[in-house]
Amino acid sequence: KQEVTQIPAALSVPEGENLVLNCSFTDSAIYNLQWFRQDPGKGLTSLLLIQSSQREQTSGRLNASLDKSSGRSTLYIAASQPGDSATYLCAVRPRGHNYGQNFVFGPGTRLSVLP
Amino acid sequence: DVKVTQSSRYLVKRTGEKVFLECVQDMDHENMFWYRQDPGLGLRLIYFSYDVKMKEKGDIPEGYSVSREKKERFSLILESASTNQTSMYLCASRASAAFTPWQPQHFGDGTRLSIL
Repeated sequence: KQEVTQIPAALSVPEGENLVLNCSFTDSAIYNLQWFRQDPGKGLTSLLLIQSSQREQTSGRLNASLDKSSGRSTLYIAASQPGDSATYLCAVRPRGHNYGQNFVFGPGTRLSVLP
Repeated sequence: DVKVTQSSRYLVKRTGEKVFLECVQDMDHENMFWYRQDPGLGLRLIYFSYDVKMKEKGDIPEGYSVSREKKERFSLILESASTNQTSMYLCASRASAAFTPWQPQHFGDGTRLSIL
């Protein structure tokens, strides 16, 4: 059964720092991996989607990498800002399941960027 | 941009009531999902639908049912609300996983449901 973990559970950094969030998954048979952002009391906003054949995706100050063979993904945030404060979740879409199979989510990393 | 709209941001109901949570998407997506999110437990799948009138149980379907009469709308029903169903409920949609498994999931803003 696919399991997704995220380390650390929480992170506080001063404004302007570059930071890395980690996501690990137990089964490398995936279609893709998606990073989301969730603000308190809100829904999930999609940040980046990496297909299994890709190694990284970039959007603005965000860069996500995927190493499928080792079951790891990282989300790199450059020049962090207080507005980046949120919970970041990763999710993988498993291969080899029925076509209704859902994404499997990690527990999230709660990021605080201090002014 | 894909828009997934949940009918209520906040809802307060009483124990034993029948509760309806509505979700509408505007991208003609085949797949729709209902999750609940609780502190320390993360997102858990309640039900999903891979097309109109089709539904499948997720990980925690007990106490819930769903309805998908039209492609754009997916309803979650709490047959007899209980206090342990107080939670944040999130709806999501995606293009058909059968034909386009690489497509992302899109989420609504969530409904914070309190059962008193």
